Amino acid sequence: GQNIDQPTEMTATEGAIVQINCTYQTSGFNGLFWYQQHAGEAPTFLSYNVLDGLEEKGRFSSFLSRSKGYSYLLLKELQMKDSASYLCAVSSYNTDKLIFGTGTRLQVFP
Amino acid sequence: DAEITQSPRHKITETGRQVTLACHQTWNHNNMFWYRQDLGHGLRLIHYSYGVQDTNKGEVSDGYSVSRSNTEDLPLTLESAASSQTSVYFCASSDRKGREYGTDTQYFGPGTRLTVL
Repeated sequence: GQNIDQPTEMTATEGAIVQINCTYQTSGFNGLFWYQQHAGEAPTFLSYNVLDGLEEKGRFSSFLSRSKGYSYLLLKELQMKDSASYLCAVSSYNTDKLIFGTGTRLQVFP
Repeated sequence: DAEITQSPRHKITETGRQVTLACHQTWNHNNMFWYRQDLGHGLRLIHYSYGVQDTNKGEVSDGYSVSRSNTEDLPLTLESAASSQTSVYFCASSDRKGREYGTDTQYFGPGTRLTVL
């Protein structure tokens, strides 16, 4: 079976750094996606990790450890507009489907 | 610009009625997916298609059907709407790479909020 865990809610202060963790158990793991979803809107793509290590993209970075079944999304210099849900999703070798976690709702306070 | 659209954006219907939600993409993607999103459950896959005339059941397919007659469209039909199908529905599409190239990014439509009374 497949299982993806991420915290339900997190809070942080504007300008700070926050790390959102995602752990997964899946057969035939291929890669891991992070999406951002603002309230009432569609998910939008943030990052895709296939190999172990850190991928940096501006204020956002994503890390993957395949051996540990673990990923995190790191958001630096938080802005109010970063208040959103962050969805972790995994893909498997034998399919183009994604399995999504339940998402982490991040609230950024001034 | 290529895009993916859904219609209607909001729909209220009654229990037992047939409802069809439209999804149209101009990316020319082979893959199309339908999800529902509910509090506490995240995005759950209803049906998906890897190309014309191909359809597959996802994890929550009971009470739903899809058909793929062309590349651009994957309509989702609720054969007899139930209150448990009140949800936000998202359509997504992605390109189809060979297995050795990994999984392509899925791009989502704006969603349809469906209420079944």
